[in-house]
Amino acid sequence: GAGVSQSPRYKVTKRGQDVALRCDPISGHVSLYWYRQALGQGPEFLTYFNYEAQQDKSGLPNDRFSAERPEGSISTLTIQRTEQRDSAMYRCASSLGGGVYEQYFGPGTRLTVT
Amino acid sequence: GESVGLHLPTLSVQEGDNSIINCAYSNSASDYFIWYKQESGKGPQFIIDIRSNMDKRQGQRVTVLLNKTVKHLSLQIAATQPGDSAVYFCAERGTGANNLFFGTGTRLTVIP
Repeated sequence: GAGVSQSPRYKVTKRGQDVALRCDPISGHVSLYWYRQALGQGPEFLTYFNYEAQQDKSGLPNDRFSAERPEGSISTLTIQRTEQRDSAMYRCASSLGGGVYEQYFGPGTRLTVT
Repeated sequence: GESVGLHLPTLSVQEGDNSIINCAYSNSASDYFIWYKQESGKGPQFIIDIRSNMDKRQGQRVTVLLNKTVKHLSLQIAATQPGDSAVYFCAERGTGANNLFFGTGTRLTVIP
């Protein structure tokens, strides 16, 4: 079956522009997570959804970052007024939920802010 | 806050030897741990997990050991193969939440 997919795979944007990153989780997975990963580092938690409800957004760096999952499936991470420090790999993961914590990661979106 | 770290950033082993990758965690309340393998250009791939009510769990060629007394986690890979070359991360489940906290990672290089 299909795994977690993300689009675009690469995004180059100019400082000050808004970007939207998309995540399509594994079908039937209740929980969806966004992470940011710097080169050579482990993924850093950003936010988490159960169905369409955003359960935890404590990892979002500031109010320029937001995420939604309106129908409990596809999720969008939006970064407004991008800054160079936002450049990173953004990864999405999903899990079955209901006490099953194993998370499956997508290939990521490499964001470069120039 | 929670923190997860690894003792060694790099590890080189001969093909066929066993590998041991270590990880220290700081939150004694963490109740779930995962090892991930990440190959170049790919997302982290689940290897094996363990809950805090266990001290050992075995998979195919991999074993995870959990020592809650010293807050230490290890991943043992038997008969290491070139395809095992990757960065390995341990992660712990945040207290009361489903998000994971990852360590920095250990790069395993298998020498043919």
